[in-house]
Amino acid sequence: QSVLTQPPSVSAAPGQSVTISCSGRSPNIGINSVSWYQHLPGAAPKLLIFDNTKRPSGIPDRFSGSKSGTSATLGITGLQTGDEADYYCGTWDAALSAGVFGGGTKLTV
Amino acid sequence: QMQLVESGGGVVQPGRSLRLSCEASGFNFSHYAILWVRQAPGKGLEWLAVISSDGFNQYYADSVKGRFAVSRDNSKNTVTLQLSSLRADDSALYYCTRDMSKTGTVFIVDHWGLGTLVTVS
Repeated sequence: QSVLTQPPSVSAAPGQSVTISCSGRSPNIGINSVSWYQHLPGAAPKLLIFDNTKRPSGIPDRFSGSKSGTSATLGITGLQTGDEADYYCGTWDAALSAGVFGGGTKLTV
Repeated sequence: QMQLVESGGGVVQPGRSLRLSCEASGFNFSHYAILWVRQAPGKGLEWLAVISSDGFNQYYADSVKGRFAVSRDNSKNTVTLQLSSLRADDSALYYCTRDMSKTGTVFIVDHWGLGTLVTVS
């Protein structure tokens, strides 16, 4: 059971948009920023979003992040088949003094 | 070019120990916290441990606290994860990663190694 809760799977057609939620609590998302990672099959995970809303260089603006209270959301627009991957949220948990990941969401396009 | 290269994985019997190493290059190693993440077969990512840039602070997941120990040598640009009292559920791909902060308490991983596979059997 992960500290952060994500839906196990989401799906949408190419060209459409999708959102992935990440629900936490006060000691984690409530007071710390959230990052999002894309894990393509056979590759190392990649940072998509950090500090709730920021994109590293090279990440297209089709990917966006937001946070409200103890929840965060990853948005992906203009879906492509190459976006099929597992997506994870992560943050620091002050109560655990440890980092925590969500359980991951499998995106099917 | 920034690189993190893990080594030391392999097959080990339950109850035994294993030492994983991570060699970094291409960036100012002593300015960044380094953390370990693992992924068991068919499972999600699991945060394991982080060591601050100066090596003075370490934090661990409850699942490995007391069994795993992380250390670093900034003169050699290396981080070591010592795994002890290994169990079957420790079998996983272990990633060495760079945190964007010095403290490691921000948890923003901007670079990942390719991982080293540990099988406890």
